[in-house]
Amino acid sequence: EVQLVESGGGLVQPGGSLRLSCAASGFSFSSHWMTWVRQAPGEGLEWVANIKQDGSAKYYVDSVKGRFTISRDNAKNSLYLQMNSLRAEDTAIYYCARDTGSAWQQFDYWGQGTLVTVSS
Amino acid sequence: QSVLTQPPSVSAAPGQKVTISCSGGSSNIGNNYVSWYQQLPGTAPKLLIYNNNKRPSGIPDRFSGSKSGTSATLGITGLQTGDEADYYCGTWDSSLSAVVFGGGTKLTVL
Repeated sequence: EVQLVESGGGLVQPGGSLRLSCAASGFSFSSHWMTWVRQAPGEGLEWVANIKQDGSAKYYVDSVKGRFTISRDNAKNSLYLQMNSLRAEDTAIYYCARDTGSAWQQFDYWGQGTLVTVSS
Repeated sequence: QSVLTQPPSVSAAPGQKVTISCSGGSSNIGNNYVSWYQQLPGTAPKLLIYNNNKRPSGIPDRFSGSKSGTSATLGITGLQTGDEADYYCGTWDSSLSAVVFGGGTKLTVL
């Protein structure tokens, strides 16, 4: 059974940092693009970043470029999101998601999400 | 302002059919596959349609997808109260080098 379990969310002050993790199981992690998607309270989905199977390609939404870094450890079946210089507008539930395998950035499995709150 | 445009809400009676539109441009829908997601209240999104019109295993054939030019449509027939949810379209935008989602459509089954 495919499982994605996020962790690392919490309350952080503006300007602070946080590292999210996503533990994957039940599939060949190294064979799939992986993605982070966030959802601010009461708002829609916003794609944040994705990473190729071997980590050689990474893409980010403009609003997080230079502040967030996506990475993966295929030996540990884990996906990460390092978030620096956090702002109030980064407050959201952060989901990790798996690409279907076609590399067309369509997401067939999602984690339950981890809440990040940026507030003083 | 989302790159993909969806109606904020749609509604229909149980048993009826509803369609949800998703409008984009040549850099996104026009040249890439569209996927659709259902998000029930308080839960993570769930893939309903991929590659414009394919259903993952376990998704009933009441759900269908289509694409024409720079627009896509999700259709739901035989509406059930359990279909009340937010629905999102998504695709890759080749100009932005980013995944883009629609703003979401809230479905109410009256």
